[in-house]
Amino acid sequence: AQSVAQPEDQVNVAEGNPLTVKCTYSVSGNPYLFWYVQYPNRGLQFLLKYITGDNLVKGSYGFEAEFNKSQTSFHLKKPSALVSDSALYFCAVSRTGGFKTIFGAGTRLFVKA
Amino acid sequence: ETGVTQTPRHLVMGMTNKKSLKCEQHLGHNAMYWYKQSAKKPLELMFVYSLEERVENNSVPSRFSPECPNSSHLFLHLHTLQPEDSALYLCASSQEQGLDGYTFGSGTRLTVV
Repeated sequence: AQSVAQPEDQVNVAEGNPLTVKCTYSVSGNPYLFWYVQYPNRGLQFLLKYITGDNLVKGSYGFEAEFNKSQTSFHLKKPSALVSDSALYFCAVSRTGGFKTIFGAGTRLFVKA
Repeated sequence: ETGVTQTPRHLVMGMTNKKSLKCEQHLGHNAMYWYKQSAKKPLELMFVYSLEERVENNSVPSRFSPECPNSSHLFLHLHTLQPEDSALYLCASSQEQGLDGYTFGSGTRLTVV
């Protein structure tokens, strides 16, 4: 069975500082991993994905994520946070052969000016 | 707009009412999804349609009834709902199994009174 864990309900960071939003996953076979962002009163927006290749994946708005197979993690990172990055972030995992993409509970990122 | 449009944006209904949520996509995608989003819980996959055929039904109560008349439109028919069904209902679409990511609508905020 697939599962995703986002261990932090909320992450607080000062503007200009680096940020990390954590995600761990469980899936049989090779995982497809995703990050999405949700702003207030909006649906989820795709940020980036990992399928294969380099463990460091770059996405929209300066975000990147690092795939670590041994730790089954896919943490989201950004070198310098902006106030406008404040939002709800979802990690998701899928695999080939099915239509089920499983989402985590989300982590609220709060960037303080 | 993301290319996936959901109507209405907000809906308040009594437990004895019948209503429908509508989703429309203009992206040429061939798969569409209904997710339920409740606070601090993982997104719950409800239904998946691929090429207008239902391919996933995640033990959703029968008071929720999906309909996919064509690859661009998806409905969720609601009847005799319970207060615990109050949530944000998100529609998404994708190409094939969504391994390139999903495109979400802005959701319908449903309140059952």
